[in-house]
Amino acid sequence: KAGVTQTPRYLIKTRGQQVTLSCSPISGHRSVSWYQQTPGQGLQFLFEYFSETQRNKGNFPGRFSGRQFSNSRSEMNVSTLELGDSALYLCASRSTGTDTQYFGPGTRLTVL
Amino acid sequence: GEDVEQSLFLSVREGDSSVINCTYTDSSSTYLYWYKQEPGAGLQLLTYIFSNMDMKQDQRLTVLLNKKDKHLSLRIADTQTGDSAIYFCAESKMNGGSQGNLIFGKGTKLSVKP
Repeated sequence: KAGVTQTPRYLIKTRGQQVTLSCSPISGHRSVSWYQQTPGQGLQFLFEYFSETQRNKGNFPGRFSGRQFSNSRSEMNVSTLELGDSALYLCASRSTGTDTQYFGPGTRLTVL
Repeated sequence: GEDVEQSLFLSVREGDSSVINCTYTDSSSTYLYWYKQEPGAGLQLLTYIFSNMDMKQDQRLTVLLNKKDKHLSLRIADTQTGDSAIYFCAESKMNGGSQGNLIFGKGTKLSVKP
């Protein structure tokens, strides 16, 4: 099976812009979670989607949003970008009924 | 609290064993994980242990869990230069029945010297 894929791998934006990142889970996995990784804060949970519904949300401002499509692919959006949003954004998928999450390679976002 | 704590650095010689330690705080965690991250890459799942187990062995990897002390360790036998990476300990957090939330430590950077 193909692993979790994320696009794009690298992105450069300027402050105030918005960005959309995409994640395709492992085939058959219906749960997708998003994490932000920064040198200062480490890995932090953003949100989880299951069957097109947000099931769980971390402690991030409303500028961070996401959605999931009927084919389980997920997107996250960050509006009004700030310098502090520069990070590696990781997506993870897991199979229903299991706890184990498999991560994609991440999208490296740089905000100038 | 929800902190998962790890030491930040570990340096070993090639061929030696490496032991990476982790403490967690949420006694309700059902699974505990070890992930590996190489430079510029995502997280690779190495192994995991269910909270009712004390030990799990998988080839060169041995995970020990002391639930009373909330202490988790990862032992890598015969450490190779290719094992140089950052290792993250993570616990799963139950949230209204959902198990989609992992709490990560800050990661331990393992350096393997030839």
